[in-house]
Amino acid sequence: DTGVSQDPRHKITKRGQNVTFRCDPISEHNRLYWYRQTLGQGPEFLTYFQNEAQLEKSRLLSDRFSAERPKGSFSTLEIQRTEQGDSAMYLCASSAGGATYEQYFGPGTRLTVT
Amino acid sequence: DAKTTQPNSMESNEEEPVHLPCNHSTISGTDYIHWYRQLPSQGPEYVIHGLTSNVNNRMASLAIAEDRKSSTLILHRATLRDAAVYYCILRDPSGTYKYIFGTGTRLKVLA
Repeated sequence: DTGVSQDPRHKITKRGQNVTFRCDPISEHNRLYWYRQTLGQGPEFLTYFQNEAQLEKSRLLSDRFSAERPKGSFSTLEIQRTEQGDSAMYLCASSAGGATYEQYFGPGTRLTVT
Repeated sequence: DAKTTQPNSMESNEEEPVHLPCNHSTISGTDYIHWYRQLPSQGPEYVIHGLTSNVNNRMASLAIAEDRKSSTLILHRATLRDAAVYYCILRDPSGTYKYIFGTGTRLKVLA
């Protein structure tokens, strides 16, 4: 299967700890997106990469959040000093360049902050 | 932000057609209308997209109003596997690539 993969699928952490999630996009896709989804809501956009460049960040992405995409391949999303309000599903998606708009989503990483 | 309005939930009987409406009165001339669906415990998956003309693919059809202020996703024969949350999305004109998901329509398919 060559879809978008995310690791870990589940993460439980204590408030104040740092966590890092990984996303591996579809190999030929140069665009990568991070979204956050809380229960009963649709996904909320967090940030977007084109190759290794982070081109857009949501106001939702506080300074405790940082994302990277070294070499334009996989991406990591780190949350420092986690808070209970960070508990959510973190979704990664990728898409090809050009006029193609379809985004392919991974299964998500469910974060629970206790 | 370009916004969409969808009913919170709908029900359909198995094997019958389903029409899922979406209002997007603030759509701009260059915005594409996208539909995604999210099955339980999965990430969203692409269903269909269009600009002005009606579109068909193996999953569904998309009917777009002439003024583009509304659209309808049509599932021709609903199956139990179509039970999901369906999202109608416009590309945010203030951001080149991000999408704004609403709360979507939860479709329940009755056997």
